[in-house]
Amino acid sequence: QSVLTQPPSASGTPGQTVTISCSGSRSNIGNNDVYWYQLLPGTAPKLLISRYNQRPSGVPDRFSGSKSGTSASLAISGLRSEDEADYYCAAWHDSLSAWVFGGGTKVTVL
Amino acid sequence: EVHLVESGGGLVQPGGSLRLSCAVSGFTFDDYGMHWVRRGPGKGLEWVSGISWNSGSVGYADFVKGRFTISRDNAENSLYLQMNTLRPEDTALYYCGKDIGLLWSGGLETWGQGTQVTVSS
Repeated sequence: QSVLTQPPSASGTPGQTVTISCSGSRSNIGNNDVYWYQLLPGTAPKLLISRYNQRPSGVPDRFSGSKSGTSASLAISGLRSEDEADYYCAAWHDSLSAWVFGGGTKVTVL
Repeated sequence: EVHLVESGGGLVQPGGSLRLSCAVSGFTFDDYGMHWVRRGPGKGLEWVSGISWNSGSVGYADFVKGRFTISRDNAENSLYLQMNTLRPEDTALYYCGKDIGLLWSGGLETWGQGTQVTVSS
């Protein structure tokens, strides 16, 4: 059971917008930045959204992050076939003094 | 370009030990904290351990405390994870990761491709 809660799956057709939610608590998302990662089979995980909801260099602006209270979201607009991957949220957990992840969301492009 | 290359994984019996290594290049190693994260079969990502730039601060997930030890050699640009008393549930792909800052509380920025650890009799 992951500390952060994500839906196991999400899907959309090419060009659509898919939004993935990540729910936590005040000890993690509520007090700290949320990071988002993309995992493609056989490749290193890739950071999509960093602190302050910033995109690292090279990440398309189709990917955007937001946060409200103890929940965060990752939106993928203009969905493409290459976006088919697993996506994870992560945040620092104050009382555990540890990083916690969501269970991951598998995005399928129909 | 930043590169992180893990090694040292393999098949080990329950109760056994392994030492993972992570060789880095493309950045000033001793300016950044580092991490180990794993992904078990059919499971999500789990943070395992973190270490600050100078090894002065380390942290562990509860499920590895007392069994795993993280360390680094800044002269060799290398990160290590000594894993003892291994359990079948430790079976996973282990990734090393670079933090965005000096400590291990800033956030994982860049990852390696992982090394597979399988604990089975």
